[in-house]
Amino acid sequence: DQQVKQNSPSLSVQEGRISILNCDYTNSMFDYFLWYKKYPAEGPTFLISISSIKDKNEDGRFTVFLNKSAKHLSLHIVPSQPGDSAVYFCAASGGSNYKLTFGKGTLLTVNP
Amino acid sequence: DTAVSQTPKYLVTQMGNDKSIKCEQNLGHDTMYWYKQDSKKFLKIMFSYNNKELIINETVPNRFSPKSPDKAHLNLHINSLELGDSAVYFCASSQGTSGVTKQFFGPGTRLTVL
Repeated sequence: DQQVKQNSPSLSVQEGRISILNCDYTNSMFDYFLWYKKYPAEGPTFLISISSIKDKNEDGRFTVFLNKSAKHLSLHIVPSQPGDSAVYFCAASGGSNYKLTFGKGTLLTVNP
Repeated sequence: DTAVSQTPKYLVTQMGNDKSIKCEQNLGHDTMYWYKQDSKKFLKIMFSYNNKELIINETVPNRFSPKSPDKAHLNLHINSLELGDSAVYFCASSQGTSGVTKQFFGPGTRLTVL
């Protein structure tokens, strides 16, 4: 029962272009969403988050958009840099269940 | 100075053995977690401790037993290891238990059961 889905296992973009990573969720109780970035042989590191009371949150080159009616969020990276190449995990929490539920991750490759 | 550290980084062992993975955080957090990332790459919560008290205990075989001697440490002991236990195990910590708090992850322990 995948409550958080990242349907694209991988994405490849050119340096300087926009990277768009997508995430869908099924649990209506989720009200907080996070993106984590993971390099090989390292643990995930927090990147950016958004509460369900917002539809956009921006931090430098990273912007997360939330569409509650579609139960969809996306992470935009502009401009993409080779150092952004990593696996990106979408995670969600909410209701009385404060644990994080993670998606399967999307491998982003930014080509120089 | 590593925030969340785990030992060992790699663990190769035979079926039926008992092994432990240790986790320490120096962030002063009061909540610690164990996650399992299996071959399908899903990161799934196993346990969580808040101030040394167990607060999350997912459907995990009772061969897995977490122990928190103090707020800065959370160890995972696994009895009678099985092939299906092969995975990467991540420790994490946060301040507070709310889902809105950032969790900080350790580098992971890759367990291989032969």
